[in-house]
Amino acid sequence: DQQVKQNSPSLSVQEGRISILNCDYTNSMFDYFLWYKKYPAEGPTFLISISSIKDKNEDGRFTVFLNKSAKHLSLHIVPSQPGDSAVYFCAASRGSQGNLIFGKGTKLSVKP
Amino acid sequence: GAVVSQHPSWVICKSGTSVKIECRSLDFQATTMFWYRQFPKQSLMLMATSNEGSKATYEQGVEKDKFLINHASLTLSTLTVTSAHPEDSSFYICSADRGIEQYFGPGTRLTVT
Repeated sequence: DQQVKQNSPSLSVQEGRISILNCDYTNSMFDYFLWYKKYPAEGPTFLISISSIKDKNEDGRFTVFLNKSAKHLSLHIVPSQPGDSAVYFCAASRGSQGNLIFGKGTKLSVKP
Repeated sequence: GAVVSQHPSWVICKSGTSVKIECRSLDFQATTMFWYRQFPKQSLMLMATSNEGSKATYEQGVEKDKFLINHASLTLSTLTVTSAHPEDSSFYICSADRGIEQYFGPGTRLTVT
């Protein structure tokens, strides 16, 4: 059974608009969440994280929101740029050093 | 949905021994699989790209003689950590390509004592 779910395999957004990528998890023991960005033929690169003691973390154009009661997190990219086009993976772990469990990814396409 | 498995999920071995980790795509054929190592602060390092029927492509700085990768079939890639040392202790994750999608395995926690 998938513990981390990204139910939208793809998302298309116009440049300058907001991109919202969603992620749900089932394991209530997860307390650390991360987003990774991946370009073709490259390894994923860390984007932003959030610990369960917070409900929001912001880094430039990227903001992650965590709703613990709903076991849901989302990544907002504002404004979206064509260079943001990539596959975004949500991951979760127990503690900041725990084993990462990944979702299946969402392919974001930002159109000029 | 597509599933990628890894075996074992965790392993403890003594320094100097070799450990084999398997990565399987359970319901699809994957011509390309990737091996990653998780580092502190959740960073992931791509170690190598494994292509079925050909030699793996290793990233810079990864010792190919130490981390042997074999992609024997379209559903199986193996990573063998040879002459393991305590500094090899880490979480190793594989992923498999399915068209434009990539699926991650659940990872293998290796502890070398």
